Amino acid sequence: DVKVTQSSRYLVKRTGEKVFLECVQDMDHENMFWYRQDPGLGLRLIYFSYDVKMKEKGDIPEGYSVSREKKERFSLILESASTNQTSMYLCASSSRPGRPFDYGYTFGSGTRLTVV
Amino acid sequence: QQQVKQSPQSLIVQKGGISIINCAYENTAFDYFPWYQQFPGKGPALLIAIRPDVSEKKEGRFTISFNKSAKQFSLHIMDSQPGDSATYFCAARETGAGSYQLTFGKGTKLSVIP
Repeated sequence: DVKVTQSSRYLVKRTGEKVFLECVQDMDHENMFWYRQDPGLGLRLIYFSYDVKMKEKGDIPEGYSVSREKKERFSLILESASTNQTSMYLCASSSRPGRPFDYGYTFGSGTRLTVV
Repeated sequence: QQQVKQSPQSLIVQKGGISIINCAYENTAFDYFPWYQQFPGKGPALLIAIRPDVSEKKEGRFTISFNKSAKQFSLHIMDSQPGDSATYFCAARETGAGSYQLTFGKGTKLSVIP
């Protein structure tokens, strides 16, 4: 059963802490994404990566950075956590469009981060 | 700029009724339109998808209707059940440009009441 695994389901951090959210996929997908989900705002793209060591900014990259040292792992980093970063964070992966078995995104179960 | 507009934001339907969620897009280069279903505490999961060379796709109780000229597509859930209660997201992708991103609507929270 293919999947995307996020390391923590719930996380509570203090303002100013550096926070690491980890995501691992076992589908040999090239593309990986980080979204945050907030009520009424839907899914907002923070960063994505289409290859190892490659990264692209999404719609709301401010306050975040990412790391992709291996194909299967994509990390989201909150350099100095703030209360407005309290949210549900979702990781997703996909193969390149046009490849066989191109089923779109596979999402992880999410990490609910609370910054106090 | 919101490229995929989804409505309604929330929907309450009686058990056995038809749930209809609508999406509209502006980018005529979009060529792949999936719907995702998300239960509380879970990540979204692919439900059904359509390409614009067909006007309708049906999988069980779920049907996508696609109107290319109007740039609209919709999800119909027939015989809605309480277990269908979830948040639904429409999305679109411009595959030909090599883009790997899906553009999502803001979601519809569906509640099916017994």
